[in-house]
Order: sequence, then structure tokens, then C-alpha cells
Amino acid sequence: SYELTQPPSVSVSPGQTASITCFGDKLGNKYASWYQQKPGQSPVLLIFQDKKRPPGIPERFSGSNSGDTATLTISGTQAMDEADYYCQAWDSSVVFGGGTKLTVL
Amino acid sequence: QVQLQESGPGLVKPSETLSLTCSVSGGSISNYYWSWIRQPPGKGLEWIGYISYSGSSNYNPSLKSRVTMSLDTSKKQFSLKLTSVTAADTAVYYCARKFGDFDATSHYYSYMDVWGKGTTVAVSS
Repeated sequence: SYELTQPPSVSVSPGQTASITCFGDKLGNKYASWYQQKPGQSPVLLIFQDKKRPPGIPERFSGSNSGDTATLTISGTQAMDEADYYCQAWDSSVVFGGGTKLTVL
Repeated sequence: QVQLQESGPGLVKPSETLSLTCSVSGGSISNYYWSWIRQPPGKGLEWIGYISYSGSSNYNPSLKSRVTMSLDTSKKQFSLKLTSVTAADTAVYYCARKFGDFDATSHYYSYMDVWGKGTTVAVSS
């Protein structure tokens, strides 16, 4: 079965750029989506089709996907961005990455 | 604005069947796929499966033998049944709307754009 691998944790200083990676075999040939989940809340769609943002998602969130790696980039990271982030792709079924905890310190 | 609301028992005994319902409001249940995703305490998201508005379904292979999903368009509800539960099935269960389509090169993409708040289900005697 297809697997997506994310780093368990990423740290970033406020105002800096955070990059969260998602690795999967030939992931660049598929479309990646990203979700943000804050404690006690349900996930929120941040990015779909590699780089598109749903209405209401700030422009500081961007995505890319090439080769085996999809990347979520958060520019000018804010304290409110501290959350768990999950990548997701489609491989005959829905596949989630294990999640990355972003710490803003 | 489409909203989803999960409902069902918060406690299920081992070996019994977990049954949850998701109610759709503010939009149509037609022309979409409807998913269930769960999250064990302190862990990541696990896709359980989805059912389409036409009734076709696709389940996670690891759960397929125990999962059944159904959809009631008249009530704007879809449901999950998970049989023979164990403590490992203890989780927050989310329902979500799954969008899927083909791009200009027939490349399929899929994502969950609307999520319910989730409901906690504990499996314990």
C-alpha cells in the first residue's frame, strides 16, 4: 500500500519560514493536499491540488510537489500556526501522512 | 455553507458494533463523496472509507472486513458501521465531504474540504 512520510516535528521562530515535507514514491505524479489541525479541533483543508488554497486560507500558506516530495511552506509564521499538519494523496484510496507537529518558538 | 455533524454512542463494548451517523446541512448530499476518518488518542488521521452519492463505496483495506457505510439521501445522512470492535478502535471519528475530480490530463485528485467536529468513541466494557 502507498505510504506518505512526514517528519514528526518541525520548529520555527516567529516571522520565519517553515517548511514541512511529505515523502512518497513518485508523489510528484499525484496531487497532494495539506490539512491543519489545532488541539481539540477538526482538520482544516489548507492546500489542494498541490498548491491551491481554499477561500479564507491566508496567502502565507503555499504548497509545491515534485519528484518524491510535497512541501508545505508557511511564510512569516505566526504563533497561531502552531498545530499538527497532515499531507494527503490519492492512490486508489485516500492516504494520509503521519502528521508533523509545528512548534513556533 | 455545508456543515456536518456526527452522532452516535460515545461508548461501545468490545466485540460489539460501532454505529455512527453524519448529518449534512446547508447543502446537497448529491454529487459528492462522503468519508469517515478517525484519529486514535494522540495519533494521526486514519482514513476509514467513503461512500458516493450513488451508493458506491471504497474502504481502507485494513478495515474493509469490518466496515459498512450507507447513505440516506432523503434524510441527508450517511452512516458508518464497524463490527467486532476492540480497544484499538477507540478514537475520535470524523465525517467529511470528499471532493474528487479529474484534471485536464485525466489525472485524478481528491481531498476532504468540509469536516465535522468529530465524535469520541471509546471501546470499553
